[in-house]
Amino acid sequence: GENVEQHPSTLSVQEGDSAVIKCTYSDSASNYFPWYKQELGKGPQLIIDIRSNVGEKKDQRIAVTLNKTAKHFSLHITETQPEDSAVYFCAARFNGLTFGKGTHLIIQP
Amino acid sequence: SAVISQKPSRDICQRGTSLTIQCQVDSQVTMMFWYRQQPGQSLTLIATANQGSEATYESGFVIDKFPISRPNLTFSTLTVSNMSPEDSSIYLCSAKTENYEQYFGPGTRLTVT
Repeated sequence: GENVEQHPSTLSVQEGDSAVIKCTYSDSASNYFPWYKQELGKGPQLIIDIRSNVGEKKDQRIAVTLNKTAKHFSLHITETQPEDSAVYFCAARFNGLTFGKGTHLIIQP
Repeated sequence: SAVISQKPSRDICQRGTSLTIQCQVDSQVTMMFWYRQQPGQSLTLIATANQGSEATYESGFVIDKFPISRPNLTFSTLTVSNMSPEDSSIYLCSAKTENYEQYFGPGTRLTVT
C-alpha cells in the first residue's frame, strides 16, 4: 500500500518568513495530493490540493509543488502570519487517502 | 465543497458501553469515510461507508467493534461498541465530492473511563 513520509515534524519560523513542508510517497499510481491544516480541537481543513497532471498550484500565500518522477510534493507558505500556526498534514491518494505524520508549524512573533 | 457536521462533539463513556456518532453532509457526496485520530498523531482510516451496503473496513478494524451505516448519500453513523479505554480517541467523518476533494468534520472526542 501507499506510504507517505512528511518532514519536518516541527518547524519554527519567524513571522513574515517562508515555511516549506516536504512529503514523499511510495505508490506511483497516486494521483491526488491534498494538504490539510488542523488547529487544536478542530477537524482537518483542506487548504490546497494538486493532481498528478499539474506540477504547481498557488493560492495567495500558499503553493504546492509536485515532482512525480521523484515522488515528492511540498507545501510552501510565504509571508507567514501568527494564524498560520497549526499542524499541517500531507496526504496521497490512489484509492483512499494515506496521511503523513504531520508538521507542527510554529510562527514566532 | 462540502460542510460536514458531527454529533456529539464529545462524550465521556463508561467501559463496556456503546456510542453512536452521527455525520451529516450538506450536499451529495460520492464517498464517506470514518477516521480515528489519537491525540497528537496522524489520521487512520477505519472504514469506507457504502450507501445501502456493508462498509469496507481497513486492516485492524472489524464490523462487530465499529458497525457503520449509510442509509443515504449524505448521512452516516459510526458505533463504537463495547468500549474500553483504548478506544479513547477523536473520531472524524470525511466525505469525497464529485470533483475529488475530500473534507472532514470537526470530530467527536471520545473518552472512555
